[in-house]
Amino acid sequence: NAGVMQNPRHLVRRRGQEARLRCSPMKGHSHVYWYRQLPEEGLKFMVYLQKENIIDESGMPKERFSAEFPKEGPSILRIQQVVRGDSAAYFCASSQARPGANVLTFGAGSRLTVL
Amino acid sequence: DQQVKQNSPSLSVQEGRISILNCDYTNSMFDYFLWYKKYPAEGPTFLISISSIKDKNEDGRFTVFLNKSAKHLSLHIVPSQPGDSAVYFCAASVAGNNRKLIWGLGTSLAVNP
Repeated sequence: NAGVMQNPRHLVRRRGQEARLRCSPMKGHSHVYWYRQLPEEGLKFMVYLQKENIIDESGMPKERFSAEFPKEGPSILRIQQVVRGDSAAYFCASSQARPGANVLTFGAGSRLTVL
Repeated sequence: DQQVKQNSPSLSVQEGRISILNCDYTNSMFDYFLWYKKYPAEGPTFLISISSIKDKNEDGRFTVFLNKSAKHLSLHIVPSQPGDSAVYFCAASVAGNNRKLIWGLGTSLAVNP
């Protein structure tokens, strides 16, 4: 039973390019969360998605960032026109749909470096 | 404003001894607390949790204590093992919104053989 799979593990982009990070949740999990860890900081919530729905995007920057979790395929975190400040580790987590599913299972993260 | 604070960036302990990792919080609405462990190049792994209706939860070598009046929790690892060397994150959530966790900055634990 594979855990939460994230790819790519490392991504290098130049300023102005686009970054796409993918996340496949754990088998049986239908809820996906994206967290960002900036250098020297703790993890910060970005967005919570269910299939085809964004439930809570209160942690997403207002511009350039978007997320989706389509009916088929992985969840995608998309960052347009990247800037150096976007350099961070992006962690995806998933959980079951049942009430009280408090524990998130995290992927290994995608480390974005913007040159 | 850091709502969850782990004031010790690092801790070094001898193998077999007790490791105590501390966490303070400021939001009295937090009602669920979790500890995650993270190895380099891996994602955080859930370790143990506690609800605000309890003051202690134990799982094997790991025990979490919650002092609501002091807004303080601690993780005790007894006995500590070299494989426990990792970064430990304290996280908290409000009113059942356990998916939107608020994280501390982590404490790096080194257990020396």
